[in-house]
Amino acid sequence: GAVVSQHPSWVICKSGTSVKIECRSLDFQATTMFWYRQFPKQSLMLMATSNEGSKATYEQGVEKDKFLINHASLTLSTLTVTSAHPEDSSFYICSATPGMSGRSYNEQFFGPGTRLTVL
Amino acid sequence: SQQGEEDPQALSIQEGENATMNCSYKTSINNLQWYRQNSGRGLVHLILIRSNEREKHSGRLRVTLDTSKKSSSLLITASRAADTASYFCATDASQGAQKLVFGQGTRLTINP
Repeated sequence: GAVVSQHPSWVICKSGTSVKIECRSLDFQATTMFWYRQFPKQSLMLMATSNEGSKATYEQGVEKDKFLINHASLTLSTLTVTSAHPEDSSFYICSATPGMSGRSYNEQFFGPGTRLTVL
Repeated sequence: SQQGEEDPQALSIQEGENATMNCSYKTSINNLQWYRQNSGRGLVHLILIRSNEREKHSGRLRVTLDTSKKSSSLLITASRAADTASYFCATDASQGAQKLVFGQGTRLTINP
């Protein structure tokens, strides 16, 4: 149980185009989803926190107009990289949490990641 | 914001040996978690230790937490080639929805 998928697993696009990445919780309802970015040989950096039905909360330094996040349902969140440039090339990972009440913490389940290469 | 630091950044040992990785953080936490990431893949949750716990075991994994020193260690005993991966600690200091801050990670290589 607690499987999170991402699509696509990898994408190559031309500079200036927009790319949409999907994150789905397959067997649970995710009240909260997180989007991370990871550059080669570096750690994960949280980009934004997404709650179903509300606007995403972006971390400092992350451009919300460039990285559009939509959490339209309890099982799907999308990240759209608008007008992508080579410096946006990275590994994007999402995670989802069931948000069960009464627990002292909500475990995050991670997707397999999407490798974006912008030419 | 707090940022975990891990050492060593890279560790190479022989199969069968024990591997120890350390993580330090800067602020008070609710819990600390360790994750494994194989090259180019997603994260696999290994173990969570709460702020009021000092040690936890799971199979060949042993995690310690010293909140007075704001540090944690992950010990992998009897290492195997399949343990080759990057290992990250992540701290949660938030209220409500879990917001993790990841350390820089340790790249572990197990030589057969």
